[in-house]
Amino acid sequence: EVQLVESGGGLVPPGGSLRLSCAASGFTFSNYWMSWVRQAPGKGLEWVANINQYASEKYYVDSVEGRFTISRDNAKNSLYLQMNSLRAEDTAIYYCARDFYEISGDYYFYYGMDVWGQGTTVTVSS
Amino acid sequence: DIQMTQSPSSLSASVGDRVTVTCRASQGITNSLAWYQQKPGKAPKLLVYAASRLQSGVPSRFSGSGSGTDFTLTISSLQPEDSATYYCQQYYTSPPYTFGQGTKLEIK
Repeated sequence: EVQLVESGGGLVPPGGSLRLSCAASGFTFSNYWMSWVRQAPGKGLEWVANINQYASEKYYVDSVEGRFTISRDNAKNSLYLQMNSLRAEDTAIYYCARDFYEISGDYYFYYGMDVWGQGTTVTVSS
Repeated sequence: DIQMTQSPSSLSASVGDRVTVTCRASQGITNSLAWYQQKPGKAPKLLVYAASRLQSGVPSRFSGSGSGTDFTLTISSLQPEDSATYYCQQYYTSPPYTFGQGTKLEIK
């Protein structure tokens, strides 16, 4: 069964740090781009960051650039999100997701995110 | 960044109804659009990608259409299990990939 399981969420004071993990199983993790998406309480979805298979390409939404770092360990089938200088507005459920795309020759055609974890809750509050 | 605007924000419909949700992009995005369904307390589920291609396993009553700036998600015959919030997401060019604000669909 294809599965993503997040962990590492919790309560952290403003300015603090937290590291989220996502354990992948049921598919060849090292073949896929991976993403983090978050959802603030009662709000919509916000794409946060993604990373390519080799960790050589990383992209971030402007609001977390310079504070969050996405990384991966293909040997451990794991994705990470290091979150520093946390703010109240970072409070959200954080989802790990597998990027969905097709490959044609040297090109990747991104189509969205087809596998999602159950999410881990991050609360930034004093 | 490209902004995505969904309408309506919420709607209520009866079982068997045909339902349409609209998503508009702030600039042309060709067909670089996905639709997701999210039920309360659950992760989102990919329904449609490339504006009109149905994800494997998704019931055929769901369909997507549009290109450029205007897109629609249609449920041809609403079922009780379709009660959920629906999001569009654009993925034109490089990230960030932005979502619409969501449309909450309730069953009368």
